[in-house]
Amino acid sequence: GAVVSQHPSWVICKSGTSVKIECRSLDFQATTMFWYRQFPKQSLMLMATSNEGSKATYEQGVEKDKFLINHASLTLSTLTVTSAHPEDSSFYICSARGAANQPQHFGDGTRLSIL
Amino acid sequence: DAKTTQPTSMDCAEGRAANLPCNHSTISGNEYVYWYRQIHSQGPQYIIHGLKNNETNEMASLIITEDRKSSTLILPHATLRDTAVYYCIVRVQSGGSNYKLTFGKGTLLTVNP
Repeated sequence: GAVVSQHPSWVICKSGTSVKIECRSLDFQATTMFWYRQFPKQSLMLMATSNEGSKATYEQGVEKDKFLINHASLTLSTLTVTSAHPEDSSFYICSARGAANQPQHFGDGTRLSIL
Repeated sequence: DAKTTQPTSMDCAEGRAANLPCNHSTISGNEYVYWYRQIHSQGPQYIIHGLKNNETNEMASLIITEDRKSSTLILPHATLRDTAVYYCIVRVQSGGSNYKLTFGKGTLLTVNP
C-alpha cells in the first residue's frame, strides 16, 4: 500500500518552455502533498506544501510564480515549472500523506533537464 | 526544530546486521523519529518511525534510547540492495496538523559482498 506515482520520470525540453509534473496517490487519499527538489550530490530540499483545495505554502526562496502547484483533488497534485531555464534542471520529487499521523510516501522523482 | 546528526558513511558486509546511529539530542516530547532511505536516482522510501518505544517491521528495527536523544536503525541481514543513503529525520510541526520532513545529508550505507 501507500503508493505514490510521479510522471514523467524524466523530461528534456528547451529553455523558455513550461513543464508540468504530475503526482498521484494510487491507493490512499492524500490530504497533503509535498514537492522537493534535489541537485546532484545534495539532499532533498522542500519547495512547497499543499493541502487539497488550498493554495500551496512555499518555502523561503522558492518563487511561487515560477513553480505553480495545484492540488485540486485528494489524489493528484501538479507542479508546473514555468519558463524553465537551465538552472531549473534538477530532480523533482513529490510526496504525499493521508492522515496527520501517517508517514509521507514519495514518488520516484522526475529528472528535468533544460537545454 | 530538532536537528539530527548521522555519520557520513558506513560499510557493512552482506548478510550481517547494519546498525545506523542517529543523534537527536534536542528532540522534544511530541516529535517522532523517522527513517527513510534513498537508493540512487530514486525517491526516498519510508522505512520506519517511532516516538519512544522500540519498533520493528518487515524492513528494520528502530531502537530509541530511554532519554530519546539518540536512536539506531537496524537492518538485520543487509543485502546489496540495501546500499543507499539513510536519513534520520525528526518530524516538526508546521501549521496546525501539518508537518514537514527536513532532510539532512544522511548516511551512505554501502553493503559489500
